[in-house]
Amino acid sequence: NAGVTQTPKFQVLKTGQSMTLQCAQDMNHEYMSWYRQDPGMGLRLIHYSVGAGITDQGEVPNGYNVSRSTTEDFPLRLLSAAPSQTSVYFCASSWDRESSGANVLTFGAGSRLTVL
Amino acid sequence: AQKVTQAQTEISVVEKEDVTLDCVYETRDTTYYLFWYKQPPSGELVFLIRRNSFDEQNEISGRYSWNFQKSTSSFNFTITASQVVDSAVYFCALRTTGRRALTFGSGTRLQVQP
Repeated sequence: NAGVTQTPKFQVLKTGQSMTLQCAQDMNHEYMSWYRQDPGMGLRLIHYSVGAGITDQGEVPNGYNVSRSTTEDFPLRLLSAAPSQTSVYFCASSWDRESSGANVLTFGAGSRLTVL
Repeated sequence: AQKVTQAQTEISVVEKEDVTLDCVYETRDTTYYLFWYKQPPSGELVFLIRRNSFDEQNEISGRYSWNFQKSTSSFNFTITASQVVDSAVYFCALRTTGRRALTFGSGTRLQVQP
């Protein structure tokens, strides 16, 4: 059981380039999300999805795009990378479709992105 | 507004010492969930505990214990007889009914010296 798999683990981009961070889970979780982790700021929610075809914005969505065509995959796209997007990105999922708040998120191992 | 404050940025202890990591939260919701996650040097986030707002019973799991006090809006985490393997960044987080996001504190880096 792989859990939540993120690729790539490391990426260096130049300003203006685009790229996609991949996230896949094999737990049949309906809820998936992307967070970014910056020094001294904890983790902040970028986008989330409660099922295939359904996505919504989190706290810091600007500059990012997501789609959810299958239950398993939730890619995060950077349309035109900026140095401010240098961060560590975490994908997380849970089986909770309702917003009760109770369910525990399972996190991927993270993707470290540097934008020059 | 929701907020989680972990005032201790970094703590350094010597192995076998007890250490408490503080977490103070703010929310106007009456139903909410509090979490602790551990982030070891390898970088992944590991779930440690979840506590709901209606359960103020303290919890002990091996060397780990958690003290939840609604009166002071605190959810502190104590490691007894710390070990080098406990060295990590520890995050406290809050999630309320109806909100999709976990609100994280800024984390406390714990260094356990041998």
